[in-house]
Amino acid sequence: GALVYQYPRRTICKSGTSMRMECQAVGFQATSVAWYRQSPQKTFELIALSTVNSAIKYEQNFTQEKFPISHPNLSFSSMTVLNAYLEDRGLYLCGARLGANTGQLYFGEGSKLTVL
Amino acid sequence: TQTVSQSDAHVTVFEGDSVELRCNYSYGGSIYLSWYIQHHGRGLQFLLKYYSGNPVVQGVNGFKAEFSKSDSSFHLRKASVHWSDSAVYFCAVSLVNTGNYKYVFGAGTRLKVIA
Repeated sequence: GALVYQYPRRTICKSGTSMRMECQAVGFQATSVAWYRQSPQKTFELIALSTVNSAIKYEQNFTQEKFPISHPNLSFSSMTVLNAYLEDRGLYLCGARLGANTGQLYFGEGSKLTVL
Repeated sequence: TQTVSQSDAHVTVFEGDSVELRCNYSYGGSIYLSWYIQHHGRGLQFLLKYYSGNPVVQGVNGFKAEFSKSDSSFHLRKASVHWSDSAVYFCAVSLVNTGNYKYVFGAGTRLKVIA
């Protein structure tokens, strides 16, 4: 079955430092990768949607300057949280979409960011 | 405005009981509906999906959901719950628009199963 691995599972960083997280699709080619953040209040925010051969689309309140994303091939994506502060804490989830004609996203276990 | 509403923040049942977790949405056009489960501290695990065809869809671990266009609903049901079903359940809706499968999640329903 389709699997999405995220690394690291959890990170504690000092305020103002940066954290890079990775997302690997195993067993399938992800035509699109969506990065979400789940806040401590458990709501989900879409950060950006990255589709192969298209520009990365960031949602309102999220920018490339703050959350740069790399999507070099159909099985790997990475995102960095630059200059992390308290409001950036949460569980960052990567959702990978299989194929162009299915809306189903396969999610990883997430990368939990704690900012001190 | 496109919204997904899960009216119950918490549901508590006894093991062996049936359960229904409610999801209503307000969207126009073709949509893609999914349910996910999140155990404490974990990622989202896919349960089931609906796009077209039979409005009753079967998922993993005995879960099923029924799509109703007239009610704008996609409620999740299970006939007999197990204590391991305790988790938070999220309903998600996305617009079927090539190249832009943006999911909108409901606020989640925390299911507690008492053994």
